[in-house]
Amino acid sequence: AQSVTQPDIHITVSEGASLELRCNYSYGATPYLFWYVQSPGQGLQLLLKYFSGDTLVQGIKGFEAEFKRSQSSFNLRKPSVHWSDAAEYFCAVGAGTYKYIFGTGTRLKVLA
Amino acid sequence: EPEVTQTPSHQVTQMGQEVILRCVPISNHLYFYWYRQILGQKVEFLVSFYNNEISEKSEIFDDQFSVERPDGSNFTLKIRSTKLEDSAMYFCASSEGPGGDNYGYTFGSGTRLTVV
Repeated sequence: AQSVTQPDIHITVSEGASLELRCNYSYGATPYLFWYVQSPGQGLQLLLKYFSGDTLVQGIKGFEAEFKRSQSSFNLRKPSVHWSDAAEYFCAVGAGTYKYIFGTGTRLKVLA
Repeated sequence: EPEVTQTPSHQVTQMGQEVILRCVPISNHLYFYWYRQILGQKVEFLVSFYNNEISEKSEIFDDQFSVERPDGSNFTLKIRSTKLEDSAMYFCASSEGPGGDNYGYTFGSGTRLTVV
């Protein structure tokens, strides 16, 4: 069955530190993978997406993600976190023609 | 940048009442979706809509739910007789092509529905 796992429910990092949010997926075909960010009370904003080609994808706000087929992973990274990055982050896989399957999210807290 | 607009941002309704959540997708998008997020849980797919008909729906989308595109710009989700467990944030999204394929969605900012 198709699924997305985000093993870390909460992550706390200091401002300026590097960040890696983990995402593992289960999908039979070539996956289309996405990372979204949700600030409190806000909607879902697309950070980046992977469809094919280069396995390292660049997104907005200085984020990047690397697709590793052998590990069924699509981890999100940022070299230096800013206080404004505090939010909830969702990994999603395109599951068929129309829908996404989302992970349960990782809530990021940034310490000043 | 084009946006998906949802109204209202918050809605409180009594159990058993009907609610209609409204969305204005991006104008050149052809595919429309509703998702929901119960507080503290994952975002879940409800339904996709294309060419004036439902293209896919989840098991959550039972007979209490319906969607409609009443004119050229609005896309609505109706819940006929709300239950307490319908309390959630409801997100509308649209995409230029099939969203689960190599097109990304654009999500609206959501309607928080509270059933009391």
